[in-house]
Amino acid sequence: KQEVTQIPAALSVPEGENLVLNCSFTDSAIYNLQWFRQDPGKGLTSLLLIQSSQREQTSGRLNASLDKSSGRSTLYIAASQPGDSATYLCAVLTGGGNKLTFGTGTQLKVEL
Amino acid sequence: DTGVSQDPRHKITKRGQNVTFRCDPISEHNRLYWYRQTLGQGPEFLTYFQNEAQLEKSRLLSDRFSAERPKGSFSTLEIQRTEQGDSAMYLCASSFGLDRLAKNIQYFGAGTRLSVL
Repeated sequence: KQEVTQIPAALSVPEGENLVLNCSFTDSAIYNLQWFRQDPGKGLTSLLLIQSSQREQTSGRLNASLDKSSGRSTLYIAASQPGDSATYLCAVLTGGGNKLTFGTGTQLKVEL
Repeated sequence: DTGVSQDPRHKITKRGQNVTFRCDPISEHNRLYWYRQTLGQGPEFLTYFQNEAQLEKSRLLSDRFSAERPKGSFSTLEIQRTEQGDSAMYLCASSFGLDRLAKNIQYFGAGTRLSVL
């Protein structure tokens, strides 16, 4: 059974700091890995998708890497801003490509 | 493209009542998914449809839960005889049914928050 773990569970940083969020998964047989953002009480916004054959993806201040063989992904956020405060979830696509398995998320707070 | 739409956004009900939620996917997407998210946890897969066919159901989907997608467009999720443990955010997502599954991006709606008193 696929299990996804995210570390840390919560993180508080001052504005402008670069930071790294970690995600690990137990079964390397994945189709892709997605990073999502979730604001309190809201749905999920897809940030980045890394296909299983790729090593990294970048979008603006965000960079995500994937090491499928070791079951790890990181999300790098450069020059953090208060508007980045949210919960960040990683999820892997498995089960014949039909099922996303999520981690429990990292709750990020960026302070002025 | 208005994105994935869910209705209602919030539902408060008494234990034992039946509730029904609706999801309207992105119009050209043929796959539709339901997930459940409890407080402090990541979403958990419940079921998915390809067009009108329900192709997979999680063990989380007890016999009190039923999902339909009658014309391959919108979907409904019904919970009968609600229990306090059913309180959660119910999320719907949709995607293209791509041959290249690695490119399969699921787009999520804002969710329906259910509170069972």
